[in-house]
Amino acid sequence: GESVGLHLPTLSVQEGDNSIINCAYSNSASDYFIWYKQESGKGPQFIIDIRSNMDKRQGQRVTVLLNKTVKHLSLQIAATQPGDSAVYFCAEILSGYSTLTFGKGTMLLVSP
Amino acid sequence: DVKVTQSSRYLVKRTGEKVFLECVQDMDHENMFWYRQDPGLGLRLIYFSYDVKMKEKGDIPEGYSVSREKKERFSLILESASTNQTSMYLCASSLSNTDTQYFGPGTRLTVL
Repeated sequence: GESVGLHLPTLSVQEGDNSIINCAYSNSASDYFIWYKQESGKGPQFIIDIRSNMDKRQGQRVTVLLNKTVKHLSLQIAATQPGDSAVYFCAEILSGYSTLTFGKGTMLLVSP
Repeated sequence: DVKVTQSSRYLVKRTGEKVFLECVQDMDHENMFWYRQDPGLGLRLIYFSYDVKMKEKGDIPEGYSVSREKKERFSLILESASTNQTSMYLCASSLSNTDTQYFGPGTRLTVL
């Protein structure tokens, strides 16, 4: 497969552990945030989103937390599985704009 | 489910050739985007379109042009391909400015 990025921060976990991937954003005017998962050689896949009027949102095995005070976003994956191994990106949209600003990504490696 | 398709998964072209990358979405989305993704640089926006026949420059438009003659189709054109345009090209679409972008599988372009 192809690497989507060199020198990415890497999080290594064991199967069954919970994973937390963090993302800092810089613009307090950002009002919509998205987490994407990208497997090697594939396009980014939407996981979960959250708007700035929320602090927490849950999906299936995933939870996104938003801390606007410190401009921090996190993605929590419960009971991590080998199929969760991928690069995870956060992205933000500034209020009034249509374009996303992407973080560089974090590589999650899950060992069986 | 949203489906974004790209005309080729892999493409090899020679320097100076004109290259067309096609993207089609089937969800009647207003906005469409072209990105390139390079190791260490993340996703960078080349061009986007918020309506038929409309286009806006992204962060790195030099060497590229786009065409949106129909709502569902957004084409990226490399007028004269160069080796520094070797990259993974990703197309995305979104319903509106404040909605999630959905990505295609990507086209890995190699320019020799």
